[in-house]
Formats: sequence, structure tokens, C-alpha cells
Amino acid sequence: EAGVAQSPRYKIIEKRQSVAFWCNPISGHATLYWYQQILGQGPKLLIQFQNNGVVDDSQLPKDRFSAERLKGVDSTLKIQPAKLEDSAVYLCASSLDNGGGTETQYFGPGTRLLVL
Amino acid sequence: DQQVKQNSPSLSVQEGRISILNCDYTNSMFDYFLWYKKYPAEGPTFLISISSIKDKNEDGRFTVFLNKSAKHLSLHIVPSQPGDSAVYFCAARTYTGFQKLVFGTGTRLLVSP
Repeated sequence: EAGVAQSPRYKIIEKRQSVAFWCNPISGHATLYWYQQILGQGPKLLIQFQNNGVVDDSQLPKDRFSAERLKGVDSTLKIQPAKLEDSAVYLCASSLDNGGGTETQYFGPGTRLLVL
Repeated sequence: DQQVKQNSPSLSVQEGRISILNCDYTNSMFDYFLWYKKYPAEGPTFLISISSIKDKNEDGRFTVFLNKSAKHLSLHIVPSQPGDSAVYFCAARTYTGFQKLVFGTGTRLLVSP
């Protein structure tokens, strides 16, 4: 079974530029998550989709971050404009269902973003 | 406001000995706890979990203990192996119609031969 795919793996941009990350979850997984992991910290949830609807985006800086999940499969996360403090690893995860059980979240390898 | 804390940033043990990783939490609404393991340049991978109604869960060399009154959980690895060297994240779940995980800051475990 293929895992969660993310691209690009690395990205270097200058502040005020825009950047986009792509995630392809495990086939059949209804729930998709985007996390931000700053160096020395644990992953922090940015946004969570169930199918193509947003269920939690309470920690997403909506003035500069946006995300979409078209057709309930792939997802993109965009930052526009980027700030220095956005330097982090952006992790995508997916889980089979969110029906109240204890569905395991499977993580992709992440995209490492450096904002100069 | 850090709801899940891992106070030891690093831990070194010798191969064959026990590794004990600790995690404290503050939110009484957490109902499920997980440990994830992360190698460099890879995403975290699920290791073991425990429901809040239990106090112990075992899977091979890995055992997680939960002390609800102290709001503390620990991961025991016995015996430790060099391949266990990684960063370990504790995570806690709330469920309000959908599950949400809160992660600790991680503990880097180094197992030396």
C-alpha cells in the first residue's frame, strides 16, 4: 500500500513570496490533515479535512495560509506571502475515517520550507 | 499553552537496557494517547497507543503506562536496540465530533551499542 505522498520535499523562498505544497493521501482515506512542525517543537495541526470539507481550521493563519482539498483526494496548502517564521516542516497526514474510533494518522515525509 | 509536555529533550541508553520516555498533559478531556516515532527526513510513524480507560498497553518490546490521576504517561522500551534511535513524540487526542491530536515537543532517544 502506497503511503502519503508530498511534494516538493524541500523549498527555499524569500520572504513575501508565495509557495504551495501538495499532498496525496493514502487511497480511501477520508480525513486529511496538514501540520506545521517548527524546529524543536511537535507537529501543530493547521487544518483538517473530512472528504472535501473543512472540519477544523482554528489554528490556520487565514490571512496568509489557505488550503483546499478538491474532490476529497489531493490537497494543496498555500502560503502567501511567506514570513520568516513560516520556516518549518509541513506534514500531511491521512486517516481512514473519522467516525469516532481511534483511526491512526499516517504521515507523509513532509516538505521542509526555508524562508530567507 | 502547552497541553502536552515532554520535559526531556534527549535520552541516551545502552543497547539491551530499558528506555523510559515520559509525557505529561494538562487537559482532562484527552481520551486517547499515542506515541509516534520519527526518523530524520521522514514523517512520524505510529508506534503504540492507550485509551484513557486503561493503565497499560503492551506491544512486543514497547509498553505504555498511563497514570490518569497524575496526568502522566510513559513509554518503556525493553530491550532497547540501536534501531530505536529516533525522536519520540507523545500525542493526546480529544474527540468533539472529529479527532484532534496535540503533540508534545519530542524526546530524542539515542541507543548506543
